[in-house]
Amino acid sequence: DTGVSQDPRHKITKRGQNVTFRCDPISEHNRLYWYRQTLGQGPEFLTYFQNEAQLEKSRLLSDRFSAERPKGSFSTLEIQRTEQGDSAMYLCASSLARGSEQFFGPGTRLTVL
Amino acid sequence: QKEVEQNSGPLSVPEGAIASLNCTYSDRVSQSFFWYRQYSGKSPELIMSIYSNGDKEDGRFTAQLNKASQYVSLLIRDSQPSDSATYLCAVNGLNSNSGYALNFGKGTSLLVTP
Repeated sequence: DTGVSQDPRHKITKRGQNVTFRCDPISEHNRLYWYRQTLGQGPEFLTYFQNEAQLEKSRLLSDRFSAERPKGSFSTLEIQRTEQGDSAMYLCASSLARGSEQFFGPGTRLTVL
Repeated sequence: QKEVEQNSGPLSVPEGAIASLNCTYSDRVSQSFFWYRQYSGKSPELIMSIYSNGDKEDGRFTAQLNKASQYVSLLIRDSQPSDSATYLCAVNGLNSNSGYALNFGKGTSLLVTP
């Protein structure tokens, strides 16, 4: 399977704990995006990487959120001190070029108790 | 705030009919337009992209773009029960430093009845 992969697929945590998600993009794609989706809403943009550089961050990305893409391949998204409002599906997407089609991974569903 | 608007539905069509899904967007400089299908509990799946005015056909799907009216639509011919899903319209979020992050509508729920 050469699509976008994400791990874990589900995560249940208690409020205040830290969580980390991983995304592996399509191998030839140098652009990687993180989105968050809550029930009944479309995905909302969080952050964007071109190779290892984080070039754009949404206002949604509070100080508790950090993302990295250290070698321009996989990416991690960490949420510190989780809150119940962080419960959502976290989606990763990758694309080949600016403005081109973005392909999504299966997502990580986070539940904060 | 750049917005993408879709009728939330549900849109119900009988099997074999044409389903018509509509989307309007507010940012006039948008250049890339996409339709994603999302089944309940799953991630969005790209089904169509369109970049210039007019129609683009791919199998049973036709995307239509009218930049002057800031309108994009998706037609699904010969609708099947397996087409029942939420359809998300996405528009590129163009700015000078953007990697073209997508702005999504809330989606239209489509139900195809046998």
